[in-house]
Formats: sequence, structure tokens, C-alpha cells
Amino acid sequence: GESVGLHLPTLSVQEGDNSIINCAYSNSASDYFIWYKQESGKGPQFIIDIRSNMDKRQGQRVTVLLNKTVKHLSLQIAATQPGDSAVYFCAEGGSGSARQLTFGSGTQLTVLP
Amino acid sequence: DAGVIQSPRHEVTEMGQEVTLRCKPISGHDYLFWYRQTMMRGLELLIYFNNNVPIDDSGMPEDRFSAKMPNASFSTLKIQPSEPRDSAVYFCASSFRIGRSDTQYFGPGTRLTVL
Repeated sequence: GESVGLHLPTLSVQEGDNSIINCAYSNSASDYFIWYKQESGKGPQFIIDIRSNMDKRQGQRVTVLLNKTVKHLSLQIAATQPGDSAVYFCAEGGSGSARQLTFGSGTQLTVLP
Repeated sequence: DAGVIQSPRHEVTEMGQEVTLRCKPISGHDYLFWYRQTMMRGLELLIYFNNNVPIDDSGMPEDRFSAKMPNASFSTLKIQPSEPRDSAVYFCASSFRIGRSDTQYFGPGTRLTVL
């Protein structure tokens, strides 16, 4: 029979446009958040992180915003390029002494020419 | 630094056979994690080690799965006997706490197919 997999949210953007990928996290005690990018056939790759004492952090072409009030995280990619096409995962961690990261299900970003 | 190294990159085996996946973490990292990724369940944490000691193996699916870390530069994940439902991509990741940073760095993964 047909297999049923995770239904990944998808986002399609035109090359050159800005992308915004959203993530809702679950643990209000989490104090560290990371965005990963996973290209087809590769492992997740670290993009940017943010600590809970910040609400915004910028990197090269990427910005992460954290809203602790509503437990929401977003990743903004400026001037999206074809190489940005991938699945993007948010992860939360740092709760107490635990070292695990809890990963979201991911968002598939497709950059259209 | 070469990053996290995993071997083999691809493994095809028959049901009932033993499978051993290998991982070399980034030098100096004191945490090592094993994950499994499938379309059905996404990315799942199986087990993690701190300074070569298993800390949490609650994600290991069943007794057929075992993991060891004999030294700081090597870990194995073994499945015996393997079953078709074990088919997945297995990732190893390592980390080193800097301040409150828990960033994990992933290897390229081992794609396991059990026939």
C-alpha cells in the first residue's frame, strides 16, 4: 500500500526574494534554539543559533527572530538563492541539564528560477 | 577539521543480518548523539553519550539496537538482527558545550536498507 510520511510544510519563493520560515517550539524552559539546513542526501547543517536572552540575531543573509511570549521562532533568508533549496529544521534545547535537542518536523524550501 | 565522519555511507543487507554503523566525532567534542531519520517519523534521537558514557538510551527502539563508545574518537551503533523496518538514514552528531551553546554537528549519515 501507499506509505504515509510526515507532511512537511512547504514554501516556494522566487529567486532573489526573501524567505521566512516559521517554527513553533514546545518547551517554555528551552533557552537555546538552532536552525539547521538539510540538503538532499546530506546531514543537517548548522545555520544560526540564538539564546533565550536575545530576540534577534543576524548572520550572513540570515536572521533568526525569537518570540518567547508565543514560543515562536523564525528564520529569514535574504535574497534567496537556488542553493538555499533544502529542508529547514528548528531545534530547541538547553532545558536544565539536558543536552538533547528537540527537532521540529522541518519545512521544505524550494527556490524557483 | 574533517567534521563528523560516518561509515559506511550506504549499507544494504538482508533481514536477520547484523549491521554495524560507525562514527568518528569531531576531535575535542565530549557529546555524541545517534539519530535515525525516516519519512514516517522524522529525526529521532536514539542515544547519546557524554565522555564515552551512555547518558540516555530511551530512544533506542528495542533490544536489537545497541551502541558503544569505547573511546573519545569512536562509536558504533549495532543492529542485530536487522529488520526491514530498520531501513532509514542514521546520523551521528557531536557537540561541545561552549557557554550555553548546545550546537550539534552532524555527519553525512549512513543510509541503511534492509531487504
